[in-house]
Parts: sequence; C-alpha cells; structure tokens
Amino acid sequence: GNSVTQMEGPVTLSEEAFLTINCTYTATGYPSLFWYVQYPGEGLQLLLKATKADDKGSNKGFEATYRKETTSFHLEKGSVQVSDSAVYFCALHVLPGSGYSTLTFGKGTMLLVSP
Amino acid sequence: DSGVTQTPKHLITATGQRVTLRCSPRSGDLSVYWYQQSLDQGLQFLIQYYNGEERAKGNILERFSAQQFPDLHSELNLSSLELGDSALYFCASSVARTPGNTIYFGEGSWLTVV
Repeated sequence: GNSVTQMEGPVTLSEEAFLTINCTYTATGYPSLFWYVQYPGEGLQLLLKATKADDKGSNKGFEATYRKETTSFHLEKGSVQVSDSAVYFCALHVLPGSGYSTLTFGKGTMLLVSP
Repeated sequence: DSGVTQTPKHLITATGQRVTLRCSPRSGDLSVYWYQQSLDQGLQFLIQYYNGEERAKGNILERFSAQQFPDLHSELNLSSLELGDSALYFCASSVARTPGNTIYFGEGSWLTVV
C-alpha cells in the first residue's frame, strides 16, 4: 500500500535557522509528491509539489526535491521566520490500476520558530 | 483563499444526532474529496466523488454518507454521532483525478459532539 513517514515533531528552531523536515514514502505506482502546511486554526494549504523524479518544488523559500532512488521528499528552508510556525504535512498521490486515487498524508510535523 | 468553501465552520451537537456538512468546490473542479482530521488518527481519507459519481472510499464509517450533486457541490452526512466523531472535516477539490493535479482544501468544518 501507500504510506508516508515524516519525522516526529515538534521541531523547535530560532529565527533564521536552517530547516529540514524529512519525508520518505512507499507507493504502488508512480506518485506525485506534495507538502501542505496548516497554520494554527486554519485549513491545509498547498506549499509545493513535484510530479516526477528529480523535480524540485519551491515556494516561499521552501524547497523539496523528488528523490526516487531514496523514496524521499525532504522539505528545506534556508532561513526560517516566526511566521513559518505551523504543521507541515508530506503527502503523495498515485493512481494505481484499481483507480483508487487520493492523497495519502504523513502524520504531520509541527514547526515552532522563536524570535 | 483556496476557492473551496465549507459550511458550517463550527458545529456543536449531541450524541445520537445527525449533521450535514456542505462543500462547494473550486470553480471548474470535478473531483471532491472528504477528509477527517483528529488528534489520534491524523488526516484520514473518507470518500471521493468525481462528477457526481463515487470514485473511491477510504476509512468512512457506515454511519457516514456523502453525495455530489449535479452542480458539483457535495454534502457529508454524519449520523448517530458519537463522541469520537469530534474532529475537523475537510473538503477538497481538484480538476480531475489524475495524480499530478493539485488538490485544494477548504478551511474545514469543526464538529464537536457532546
């Protein structure tokens, strides 16, 4: 089956620190990979995505590269801000032969950035 | 703003009751998804509709049902509610059902069962 494993949080950083949130996946078929972010009290927002191997998704200073050989999609940011404090979800989407198609999410990683 | 609209935003109801959550997808999106987010289970896929037809079922209880109407809006019906059904219910939509399409989420409906 399909699954996503994320590093457990919370991840606590000081402002301007470097961020890495690890994400690895198992998928039947060829997945597209996503990072979603959930700010306190809000819904899920798409942060970035990559649809094929070696693609790099980027948005708002965040980056993630689709690594098929290591089945990973780690999220990075060079310099975090307090406003980046949120829960980050890694997800995959694959359409196997059965036609079952949906996003499979990791458990989420909470990021706390202090001034 | 994702363009996916969910109502109500907050709902408090008693055990044994029935509620209906409503979702309007983004303009032009044919696929609608329902997810449940709870502290212990995380984000769980419930059900997907595509252009009015059920396409995929996840961990949806028999007490729950959904439908997508001709105008593409969707409703999630939750009946015989239990305390454990308290959760944030998300609706999401996408243009199609292919994996590369981005799935956009609404802000969710907070359900509290007391």
